[in-house]
Parts: sequence; structure tokens; C-alpha cells
Amino acid sequence: KQEVTQIPAALSVPEGENLVLNCSFTDSAIYNLQWFRQDPGKGLTSLLLIQSSQREQTSGRLNASLDKSSGRSTLYIAASQPGDSATYLCAVNGGSEKLVFGKGTKLTVNP
Amino acid sequence: ETGVTQSPTHLIKTRGQQVTLRCSSQSGHNTVSWYQQALGQGPQFIFQYYREEENGRGNFPPRFSGLQFPNYSSELNVNALELDDSALYLCASSIPEASSYNEQFFGPGTRLTVL
Repeated sequence: KQEVTQIPAALSVPEGENLVLNCSFTDSAIYNLQWFRQDPGKGLTSLLLIQSSQREQTSGRLNASLDKSSGRSTLYIAASQPGDSATYLCAVNGGSEKLVFGKGTKLTVNP
Repeated sequence: ETGVTQSPTHLIKTRGQQVTLRCSSQSGHNTVSWYQQALGQGPQFIFQYYREEENGRGNFPPRFSGLQFPNYSSELNVNALELDDSALYLCASSIPEASSYNEQFFGPGTRLTVL
């Protein structure tokens, strides 16, 4: 059974800092991994999707990496801004279209 | 291109009642998945519909049921509501045949409160 863990559960940083969010998964037989952003009480916004054959994906100030063999992914946020404050969720797809999510990392960026 | 939409935005029910939640998938997407997200938790997979057939189910009791229509929109029905059913219900759509990406696109969710 696939299990996804995200560390840390919460993170508070000053504006401008670079930061890394971590995601680990127990079964390396994944099809892809997606990072999402969720604002309080809202739906999920897809940030980056990494296929199992890829090592990283970049979008603006965001960079996600994937090491399938070790069951790890990281989301790097450069030059953080208060508008980045949200919960970040990692989800893995084992090929059946069913996503298995972690509990998320709640990020607060202080002005 | 229209994104994933869900209705209603929120609703309040009492224990034992029944509820129907609705989802319209993104244009051209033939696969719809439903997730339940309790407060402070990650979303949990309920079930998925592909071309009007159930295509996988998570660890949820039979009182959670669904439908997918020819236009690929979908309903989630929950009977005999319990207090623990209070959660944000999320719908996601994808089109696995069109590309290898299988990216899933989520709607804004329906907040269900059971009193």
C-alpha cells in the first residue's frame, strides 16, 4: 500500500528566503508525481507534474525534483513571497489514475 | 476551455440525510475522480469513473455511490450521513488516453457539514 509523507508539517519563513519542501513515498513504482497548492477552504491548484522518467520540472520560481529509486521528491521555492503562503500537497499516481496524497506542508511567508 | 466546476459550494445536512454533489469535468476529459478531504488531512480517494463505468474505489462504504453521465459530468451520492462525513469533497478530471501526462485537474470543492 502506497504511503506518502510530507515533512515538515508546517514551516514559517521570512520573505525572500529560499525553501525546500520534502515528500517521500513508500512504493517506487509510480507513474508520476504532482505537487499542488491549496489555499484555506479551497480546491487544489496543480503546480508541477513530474513523470516517472523525469528528474525535475521547473515553473517560474518553483522547481520540483524526483528520485524514484529512493522514493523522494522535493519542491524548491525561490525568493519566497507572502502570496506563497498556502498548504502544499504532494501526490503520487501509481498508474491507475488514483492519487495518493500526503497530509501537506503548511507554509507561512512573513513580510 | 472551461475548468472543473462543482456544485453546490457548501451545504449543511443533518445525520441520516442523503446528499448529492455534482461535478462538471474539464472540456474533453472522460475520467472523473472524487476525493474526501477531512480538516487538516490530505485528500482520500473515494472512487473514479471512466466512460460512465466505475473504475476503481477507495476504502469507503457502499453508502458512497456515484454516477457519470454521457457528457462526462458526475455525481457523488452519500446516504445515511454521519458526522464524520463532514469534509471538503473534491472532484478531479483527466484524460488518460490523450497523452502520457495524466495530469489531474481539480475543482473548487464542496464543503459538506453534517450536524
